[in-house]
Amino acid sequence: EDKVVQSPLSLVVHEGDTVTLNCSYEVTNFRSLLWYKQEKKAPTFLFMLTSSGIEKKSGRLSSILDKKELFSILNITATQTGDSAVYLCAVDHNNNDMRFGAGTRLTVKP
Amino acid sequence: NAGVTQTPKFRVLKTGQSMTLLCAQDMNHEYMYWYRQDPGMGLRLIHYSVGEGTTAKGEVPDGYNVSRLKKQNFLLGLESAAPSQTSVYFCASSYTRVGYGYTFGSGTRLTVV
Repeated sequence: EDKVVQSPLSLVVHEGDTVTLNCSYEVTNFRSLLWYKQEKKAPTFLFMLTSSGIEKKSGRLSSILDKKELFSILNITATQTGDSAVYLCAVDHNNNDMRFGAGTRLTVKP
Repeated sequence: NAGVTQTPKFRVLKTGQSMTLLCAQDMNHEYMYWYRQDPGMGLRLIHYSVGEGTTAKGEVPDGYNVSRLKKQNFLLGLESAAPSQTSVYFCASSYTRVGYGYTFGSGTRLTVV
């Protein structure tokens, strides 16, 4: 059965810390892996990764995919309170479906 | 520029009651999806549609029905609500089936008592 596992489930840090969120997956017919940020309501898109070893970067956030070991990481440097959210990992497989992980709840304290 | 609009935003149902959740998008997207989000379980796909008049089952379709009579609307129905259907429901739409193109609605919090 296809599955996506995120770790840790929750994380509390202080402003300025660097965090690494993990996502491992087992799916058939992998196409891409996506990261979303969910604050109070709708998830918003962060990154889409399709190739191993190519880092995607947006400001203080970056992500990379390892298709051999079947995982991805999302890094956030110099965290701010506005980074507090649930971060969702999803894998797109060619079944007209995205399989989501349970999410990592990040809390950044001032 | 409304994007994806879900109605209602909140609802409390008694066990056995029925209701319909409405999802409307104004982006001319072909693909539409209904997900449910439960604590510790992430988003799970209930049903989806790849175009007007089409629907298909997702990961957790039991107890739900859907219809896509118009391209812009995707309806999710609960015929006989059960407490296990207490959840937050999200609708999403996309121009293509690739995940990065998903636009999510703001969610419907449903409680079945």
